[in-house]
Amino acid sequence: QSVLTQPPSVSGAPGQRITISCTGSSSNIGAGYDVHWYQVVPGTAPKLLIYGNNKRPSGVPDRFSGSKSGTSASLAITGLQSEDETDYYCQSYDTSLSGFYVFGTGTKVTVL
Amino acid sequence: QLQLQESGPGLVTPSETLSLTCTVSGGSLSTSSYFWVWIRQPPGKGLEWIGSVDYSGSTYYNPSLKSRVTTSVDTSKNQFSLELRSVTSEDTAVYYCARIGRYPHNWLDPWGQGTLVSVSP
Repeated sequence: QSVLTQPPSVSGAPGQRITISCTGSSSNIGAGYDVHWYQVVPGTAPKLLIYGNNKRPSGVPDRFSGSKSGTSASLAITGLQSEDETDYYCQSYDTSLSGFYVFGTGTKVTVL
Repeated sequence: QLQLQESGPGLVTPSETLSLTCTVSGGSLSTSSYFWVWIRQPPGKGLEWIGSVDYSGSTYYNPSLKSRVTTSVDTSKNQFSLELRSVTSEDTAVYYCARIGRYPHNWLDPWGQGTLVSVSP
């Protein structure tokens, strides 16, 4: 069902910088629609990390940043911390038969 | 601070109807600026948008689920609801409710904490 592709897993040592890619197509990211990122911790409410490609909601540390280019987007986490070990999803808007709101396949971040 | 909370049965029999309610607190559901959304996550899988409803009752559904889904809103109770008919084991998932802004502000915030619904005899 997911039309946005993310790497299944990304890992890094504490303090390092990692990036998570989100690859779409001409019917979503490539059409100019914004990308948003969420942190999902099992058993808790998913948290909005980045909206509008690169904007951080109040309360989200500036260790998290987003970017978008062409048909892809990226989430970067700098100064990796143990509490960052969880799942991350990108989301955008799609004009194909997939439906209006589409998510990435999800990425598990592991802090080594 | 707006908060959302899902409620409903945690176990549904195959072929029956899954019914969930999301209660909105700390703010009103009756705003033209947002849609109210249902999303699910099957075990070990990713997130999937199910459908959306606004305060007036306008709805939009995922084409893959459209024939089985109904979403509705009760502004007097500040609640919105999901019905998913003819469920199978494939519908076992954590179901989340959330708020989403109208385009171009279509990000999800806030979310409920989710409720696990299992489909089993």
